[in-house]
Amino acid sequence: SAVISQKPSRDICQRGTSLTIQCQVDSQVTMMFWYRQQPGQSLTLIATANQGSEATYESGFVIDKFPISRPNLTFSTLTVSNMSPEDSSIYLCSVEGGVETQYFGPGTRLLVL
Amino acid sequence: GNSVTQMEGPVTLSEEAFLTINCTYTATGYPSLFWYVQYPGEGLQLLLKATKADDKGSNKGFEATYRKETTSFHLEKGSVQVSDSAVYFCALSNYGQNFVFGPGTRLSVLP
Repeated sequence: SAVISQKPSRDICQRGTSLTIQCQVDSQVTMMFWYRQQPGQSLTLIATANQGSEATYESGFVIDKFPISRPNLTFSTLTVSNMSPEDSSIYLCSVEGGVETQYFGPGTRLLVL
Repeated sequence: GNSVTQMEGPVTLSEEAFLTINCTYTATGYPSLFWYVQYPGEGLQLLLKATKADDKGSNKGFEATYRKETTSFHLEKGSVQVSDSAVYFCALSNYGQNFVFGPGTRLSVLP
């Protein structure tokens, strides 16, 4: 399985600001995914990030609010822009890992005041 | 579309009790099925998986059998421990499509 790290592990931010979350994998992977987990809820896919192309966003998520970079096969960033308290969530990155399996990072816990 | 339904939580058990968390799914074709576990303050960890009908996934004393006739993938453990306290997510993946997660079931095991 892949080893995935995320930075920061948690943050407290003021409304109107932006936060960039980093995801690093210990091996090269084609597909990386970004999820949001709102308090007490399940996971919702934000977007799929492939190296060398624009991210593919799910319904309800837009690039202006959640810009994503994927500069190489081991790294990706997700920015949460112009934050509001409703953006308080856990943000998780994941990678594909064979036989349709996904492996998840430890998550970034974001609180917006 | 694809969907996953899990039993509502929270589930509270005494140590060494038998655990069942029900999971049923709706999908076309033959999806792969998964159980993920999220311990307090952590991300999701893959607990077990099954990729075809009648397969049994197992790990750390947990088991789940892929039942296509009942579209189910119930999670079981014969004797739970306090350290099993976590949120458990059932999920499916249909080839070429995104993962779909259930709502999660919170398990609390009391000493």
